[in-house]
Amino acid sequence: DIQMTQSPASLSASLGETVTIQCRASEDIYSGLAWYQQKPGKSPQLLIYGASSLQDGVPSRFSGSGSGTQYSLKISSMQTEDEGVYFCQQGLKYPFTFGSGTKLEIK
Amino acid sequence: EVQLVESGGGLVQPGRSMKLSCAASGFTFNNYDMAWVCQAPKKGLEWVATISYDGSSTYYRDSVKGRFTISRDNAKSTLYLQMDSLRSEDTATYYCARERYPGITSHFDYWGQGVMVTVSS
Repeated sequence: DIQMTQSPASLSASLGETVTIQCRASEDIYSGLAWYQQKPGKSPQLLIYGASSLQDGVPSRFSGSGSGTQYSLKISSMQTEDEGVYFCQQGLKYPFTFGSGTKLEIK
Repeated sequence: EVQLVESGGGLVQPGRSMKLSCAASGFTFNNYDMAWVCQAPKKGLEWVATISYDGSSTYYRDSVKGRFTISRDNAKSTLYLQMDSLRSEDTATYYCARERYPGITSHFDYWGQGVMVTVSS
């Protein structure tokens, strides 16, 4: 199985700050990387797919980058509504696997 | 508007069975692969199973192979997950998700609200 290692496990950011979350795959996943945001008691919401494509309706302050085994999600200007848990997911091979999550809070 | 509404969860004893349903609307159901993803309490996400748009192909994580069966009724726009021989470690919220495959990789673009399954005596 492809292992997804996500970091950091948690972080806090001030309003307007730029935030970066990392995800590393145990093998090349050819940009088959998606990012999701989950708020308490809610289902995950797709933010980014194909490593860098922004899902319709997602604010442009979210961006994704990376290739091979290393990927990142950037929030360019932290907003209150961005609090939540962020997960990465590889979609190259079954079983699809997720990172362990990054809890993002407002400082 | 795409909607996925799960039902059928609850409390079940170890070794017993339970069937989840997911009613889809707002899109052409038989054009899309569908999946179940679970999340144990306070834990991360785990992909469970995927079924192709026409039901001809199914894929499972190892821990549920031989115990869970994913199926669909395209005439009813409904996805199912039959869970047999349930174990305490199957306790989780189960999400129905629409799977997209733009190229060689997949992601989940719409998710249901989730249904809780608790396996306990």
